[in-house]
This record gives sequence, C-alpha cells and structure tokens, in this order.
Amino acid sequence: DAKTTQPTSMDCAEGRAANLPCNHSTISGNEYVYWYRQIHSQGPQYIIHGLKNNETNEMASLIITEDRKSSTLILPHATLRDTAVYYCIVRVINNDMRFGAGTRLTVKP
Amino acid sequence: GAVVSQHPSWVICKSGTSVKIECRSLDFQATTMFWYRQFPKQSLMLMATSNEGSKATYEQGVEKDKFLINHASLTLSTLTVTSAHPEDSSFYICSARDSGTSYNEQFFGPGTRLTVL
Repeated sequence: DAKTTQPTSMDCAEGRAANLPCNHSTISGNEYVYWYRQIHSQGPQYIIHGLKNNETNEMASLIITEDRKSSTLILPHATLRDTAVYYCIVRVINNDMRFGAGTRLTVKP
Repeated sequence: GAVVSQHPSWVICKSGTSVKIECRSLDFQATTMFWYRQFPKQSLMLMATSNEGSKATYEQGVEKDKFLINHASLTLSTLTVTSAHPEDSSFYICSARDSGTSYNEQFFGPGTRLTVL
C-alpha cells in the first residue's frame, strides 16, 4: 500500500472547520483513502473513506484531488471532543490496515 | 456501525504469568481479525492477522510462540501473551473485518491495557 504523509500536529479553534491534509503521491488506481481517528486510550474510530470522488457523512467530508495524490479531511464544526490523533491510510480493499504517525489535532476553546 | 468488543479492558499481571485477551465481533461475522500493539506516544503496529480456522500470520519481529492467537469462530479471536514481562506492557487492540460488506470494512475494538509488574 502507498505511503502517506501527514503533519505531526495541528490546532483548531472550537466551532471552526478543521482541515487535515494528507499526501499520498504514490497512490495506485485501486487504492482507497481511509481516515480513522483515535481518542486517547481508545481504539481507532472509522471516519470516512473514498476512492476518487469527494465523500461526506455525518462526521466529516473527504476531499480528494483530481490526481488523487493528496486529500483533506474536513471536520466542519470542530468541538473539544474532536481532539484526537487522525490517521490517513491508503490501502487496497482486502489489505490490512497499517497506521502511520497520524496528525494530533487539538481543538481549543 | 459494527461493534467489536475486547475483554478485559485492562489487566495487571505478574511477570512470568500468561494473559488472555478476547476479541469479539458482536453483530457481524469476521473471517479475518487483526491484532495491534501500541506503545505510549506511538502509532498502532500490526502484530498478526488471523483467519478463522487457520493459523495466524505474524509480522516480522513478532514472536509467534509468545503471542498465541486463536481464531476458533467467526466472532471470536483470542490473544494470549505467554510468560509476560514488563516490556510486554502495552495497549493491545484488535480489529475485525466485516466480510459481509462490499468494502470489507475493518472495525476496531476499544483496546486492552496490559501492565506487567
């Protein structure tokens, strides 16, 4: 599976949108982009995934560039409970999920 | 969404003893389950992949005789840490793949914190 690059940490003001970038320049055509988050001392929580189209669900939006080499996870109105480590993972559907270092998002009041 | 449970949520044991951690998929069948380990301030590291009814596949550097994995049914996998030592203290997380969905989604348990004294 392709490697991903994410910023180590980011801050966001409560109530504002949090935009978390992910670079996956070596992504191949059959690899999906997944986002998970991990709140302290809990298991990872699935957020969203996509192949090439932008996706939206009740938690977040996923914007994938046309060349698929990068993507952005958007939390439209961040709350203090969104403070977590966010992982961007690229994988072929049946492959296992492998985690990088992720981005530590801190939502501040 | 699908639920994966782990038991116990935390355990403290003495050095040299064995500890068993259970992972269950509550509302779906999982032919494949995964075990991860996470040390403080580090990311999750995949330890092994288990398929129901067959032997687990271990990642490089993970001792299969120390970390025994049994995936005897479509809803239960167990990880036994044998002869545990303080360096085995970690956060162990299981994951189960829902083979009934088109995307074979992978769901994670809440984790088990192991402390070896």
